[in-house]
Amino acid sequence: KQEVTQIPAALSVPEGENLVLNCSFTDSAIYNLQWFRQDPGKGLTSLLLIQSSQREQTSGRLNASLDKSSGRSTLYIAASQPGDSATYLCAVSEYTGANSKLTFGKGITLSVRP
Amino acid sequence: DGGITQSPKYLFRKEGQNVTLSCEQNLNHDAMYWYRQDPGQGLRLIYYSQIVNDFQKGDIAEGYSVSREKKESFPLTVTSAQKNPTAFYLCASSWTGGHTGELFFGEGSRLTVL
Repeated sequence: KQEVTQIPAALSVPEGENLVLNCSFTDSAIYNLQWFRQDPGKGLTSLLLIQSSQREQTSGRLNASLDKSSGRSTLYIAASQPGDSATYLCAVSEYTGANSKLTFGKGITLSVRP
Repeated sequence: DGGITQSPKYLFRKEGQNVTLSCEQNLNHDAMYWYRQDPGQGLRLIYYSQIVNDFQKGDIAEGYSVSREKKESFPLTVTSAQKNPTAFYLCASSWTGGHTGELFFGEGSRLTVL
């Protein structure tokens, strides 16, 4: 059974700091991995999707990497801003026989201090 | 603007009542999903539909029902059989089914049982 872990559960950093959010998964036979952002009381917003054949994806100040062999993905946020404060979730897609499944981590709550 | 609309945003229900949460998308996506989010837990899949007039149970389908009569609509009914219905409910859609496509979420509906 796939397990997705995001540690730590919460993180507080000063504005301007470059930071890395980690996501680990137990079964490396994944189809893709997606990073989301969730603001309090809101839905999830897709940030980046990395296919299993890719090593990284970039969007603005965000860069996500994928290392399937080690079961890890990282989300790099450059020059963090207070507006980046939110919960960041990763989700892993995999095939399970004839079906497929998406497994979410519990998220990392990020607070960027002005 | 294309997107996913969930309504109502907040809903209160007395024990023993059924309630229906609405989810409408104008993204022309084939697949639609319902997730439940509880504090300290990852998102859990309730039901999903890959095409019109077809849907499958997710991990926690007991006490819930859905229909998919139109491509753009996927309502979720929380029945009185659901033992602990108080939660944040999220609807999502994707171009392709099978939990492999990029997911787009609505803003969520918070259900509270009084």
